Amino acid sequence: QVQLQESGPGLVKPAGTLSVTCAVSGGSINNENWWSWVRQTPGKGLEWIGEISHDGTTNYNPSLKSRVTISVDRSKNQFSLNLNSVTAADTAVYYCARQPINMAFDVWGQGTMVTVSS
Amino acid sequence: DIQMTQSPSSLSASVGDRVTITCRASQGIGRYLAWYQQKPGKVPNLLIYAASTLQSGVPSRFSGSGSGTDFTLTISSLQPEDVATYYCQKYSSALTFGQGTRLEIK
Repeated sequence: QVQLQESGPGLVKPAGTLSVTCAVSGGSINNENWWSWVRQTPGKGLEWIGEISHDGTTNYNPSLKSRVTISVDRSKNQFSLNLNSVTAADTAVYYCARQPINMAFDVWGQGTMVTVSS
Repeated sequence: DIQMTQSPSSLSASVGDRVTITCRASQGIGRYLAWYQQKPGKVPNLLIYAASTLQSGVPSRFSGSGSGTDFTLTISSLQPEDVATYYCQKYSSALTFGQGTRLEIK
């Protein structure tokens, strides 16, 4: 079955850019799904960041839209999140997730912790 | 933007109890409502989608109901392994999670 695996830098400096990648295995990223990023700050709830569809359409959380870019690399079967101008408030576990058409997030990655600190 | 509000924010119940968690949308969302369970230190797990459809492999003691703005997650007989935080999610355009409900055993 489809599995997702995030990879990220672990530590990012304030004002820098956070870049996280989600590798998709057991299935093609070109299948009719949406691929999302979700984050969870320590001890807090879940926040949807944005999504990209199988055809490259993107949607972003309005509260983060000005700083977020989600892209897909079909040759590597993976998608990525870039979040710029980061602050300590962006410290979180970043998850990727799959959303089949007309369904909810049925597959999640294990998450990668990213800390913003100098 | 549509807001999702869960209640209560936390609750404590005894093994065998019937437990109900409510999620309210600030505008109608049809049945585009999912429930997730997140155990401490673990990844969220999909329990229910389309307001009432049980995800494959989820125990039948979990059920969901509602449409429009008001939704409910029910655990018919609470088990020790159900200790977790539960989140509702609107999953049609501008996906949004509720703030979570922490469930503990009394």
